[in-house]
Amino acid sequence: DAGITQSPRHKVTETGTPVTLRCHQTENHRYMYWYRQDPGHGLRLIHYSYGVKDTDKGEVSDGYSVSRSKTEDFLLTLESATSSQTSVYFCAIRRGVAGPNEQFFGPGTRLTVL
Amino acid sequence: DQQVKQNSPSLSVQEGRISILNCDYTNSMFDYFLWYKKYPAEGPTFLISISSIKDKNEDGRFTVFLNKSAKHLSLHIVPSQPGDSAVYFCAASDRYGGSQGNLIFGKGTKLSVKP
Repeated sequence: DAGITQSPRHKVTETGTPVTLRCHQTENHRYMYWYRQDPGHGLRLIHYSYGVKDTDKGEVSDGYSVSRSKTEDFLLTLESATSSQTSVYFCAIRRGVAGPNEQFFGPGTRLTVL
Repeated sequence: DQQVKQNSPSLSVQEGRISILNCDYTNSMFDYFLWYKKYPAEGPTFLISISSIKDKNEDGRFTVFLNKSAKHLSLHIVPSQPGDSAVYFCAASDRYGGSQGNLIFGKGTKLSVKP
């Protein structure tokens, strides 16, 4: 258990509405990540953070923004949700800042955009 | 262009037999490889990893083999148990590259272990 929680766990929203997903960690890790998982695509990196206010884009960042104002919280925002953003979203942390990037995942948020 | 490929979407194995899950990669700069297991409605869980300086790493029933010349790795589960039924993701990392060692995942292989 890496002390990661995600909220909400499930959300249904309508096209065009803003949505924010929260990832919270209790172990003070520097690196945090947001992924989406879709059938036939595996896990794809959306954005990641390497410290408070330090973030960078991943493979599929279009339509998403992130913020990290505290070490423990990493927020993912869909400014105007689209049906293509229906997915399962996972947050992850990396233990340590050097050496192998072994990541540990939260339980996920299932988002449905109607 | 997929850098990490798991070409078998599914695999079915009898309980007690060996399960072999395969993964190929294209980027020769990858130097660390990981396997994750994922049950439905849960987050992926770290299973086992291997550095490019090794060709084998073992942890209980799980062994990962790395063939760098072929850019291929495999996960062996012996003996397979029904509780091993899950989706298995292969991931790779270039720890000294510009990506800060971010993980690249394959699409996953769904393993079904039949009693």
